[in-house]
Amino acid sequence: DGGITQSPKYLFRKEGQNVTLSCEQNLNHDAMYWYRQDPGQGLRLIYYSQIVNDFQKGDIAEGYSVSREKKESFPLTVTSAQKNPTAFYLCASREVAGGGLEDPNIQYFGAGTRLSVL
Amino acid sequence: AQTVTQSQPEMSVQEAETVTLSCTYDTSESDYYLFWYKQPPSRQMILVIRQEAYKQQNATENRFSVNFQKAAKSFSLKISDSQLGDAAMYFCAYFRSGTYKYIFGTGTRLKVLA
Repeated sequence: DGGITQSPKYLFRKEGQNVTLSCEQNLNHDAMYWYRQDPGQGLRLIYYSQIVNDFQKGDIAEGYSVSREKKESFPLTVTSAQKNPTAFYLCASREVAGGGLEDPNIQYFGAGTRLSVL
Repeated sequence: AQTVTQSQPEMSVQEAETVTLSCTYDTSESDYYLFWYKQPPSRQMILVIRQEAYKQQNATENRFSVNFQKAAKSFSLKISDSQLGDAAMYFCAYFRSGTYKYIFGTGTRLKVLA
């Protein structure tokens, strides 16, 4: 089945530690996103990537880093500079080019990773 | 800048009844899309329904329908014959065609009472 896989489901970070959240998609989508979800704040964009080896900062990129070495993978690293990392993190993707069967305006989501600080 | 507002943090509905969730947005653009996403306790975001701004006809998906008022910048979701499985957070989202960014509202928690 095609979809977006996020791992792990739960992650714990120690003080001063960097942690990496995995996001893999087999939908052949061009664009991938990382969102942070906090209670009462909806989804806030951390990073966005439209093609391999290119990505842009979103609204709350400080303390986070990403890479896009392969089309299907978009890992997010939460660095020690992120002082309040406890949140639910969602990865999403969408087809950009259009012209095919998929609607390029619809975003699809993974099941999320819950990050907590020890 | 575009904004999306969901003014109802929480709503309740009796099973089999109808409920309407509100969403307003602010934009100066004419070509955009609006979405309702459902986030159940599993936290998986699921697309419920979408509306193209250029279409006057309101979108419908089974028990879910929208009331799209473009001039008023309003996009409400109506759930008919509510079921226990409809209990979830519902997020309204805006997307301008040709861009990359989606703007989400803060969500409405829907409780379905048996």
